[in-house]
Amino acid sequence: SQKIEQNSEALNIQEGKTATLTCNYTNYSPAYLQWYRQDPGRGPVFLLLIRENEKEKRKERLKVTFDTTLKQSLFHITASQPADSATYLCALKGGGFKTIFGAGTRLFVKA
Amino acid sequence: ETGVTQTPRHLVMGMTNKKSLKCEQHLGHNAMYWYKQSAKKPLELMFVYNFKEQTENNSVPSRFSPECPNSSHLFLHLHTLQPEDSALYLCASSQEASGSTDTQYFGPGTRLTVL
Repeated sequence: SQKIEQNSEALNIQEGKTATLTCNYTNYSPAYLQWYRQDPGRGPVFLLLIRENEKEKRKERLKVTFDTTLKQSLFHITASQPADSATYLCALKGGGFKTIFGAGTRLFVKA
Repeated sequence: ETGVTQTPRHLVMGMTNKKSLKCEQHLGHNAMYWYKQSAKKPLELMFVYNFKEQTENNSVPSRFSPECPNSSHLFLHLHTLQPEDSALYLCASSQEASGSTDTQYFGPGTRLTVL
């Protein structure tokens, strides 16, 4: 069955460092992959989208890579700030109407 | 604000009650979604409506009944729920569900507790 895996353990980093989150998937050939941010008690907010034919995408301090051979995406936050503390969700979309979400990785950035 | 509103934000109901969740989007989108989010579990897609037509029912029990009267409004009617249905229910919208990019905009969710 289709499966998305994100680190279930929280990631703790120091302010100013680069945070790297991983998203692995199996039994899926996504047309594109998205990353969302979710704060406690709120809905997810879209951050970045990367297509299957793209290797890397950047937006301000955010960078996403997509390796369809390894079936993996990496999400980087450079110069991290305490305000970046949140849960980050990976989501995959193939054809059809369904988007599948991972369980998310909780990021804590310490001042 | 994402342009998607949900009411109520919190709901406590007994197993014999009937209640409805409401979602409204002000983005001019054509697709709307219901998701269930339980603690430490991935978002579970429940229903998808594309141009007011239901295109996905992800094996959801019949005690959950969706309604999409137009592209801007989506309801989730609840009856005879079980305690394990307690969760955060999220509504989302996108330009269209089968499009080349269906970036989804989520509402704040309804925190549902079934006693």
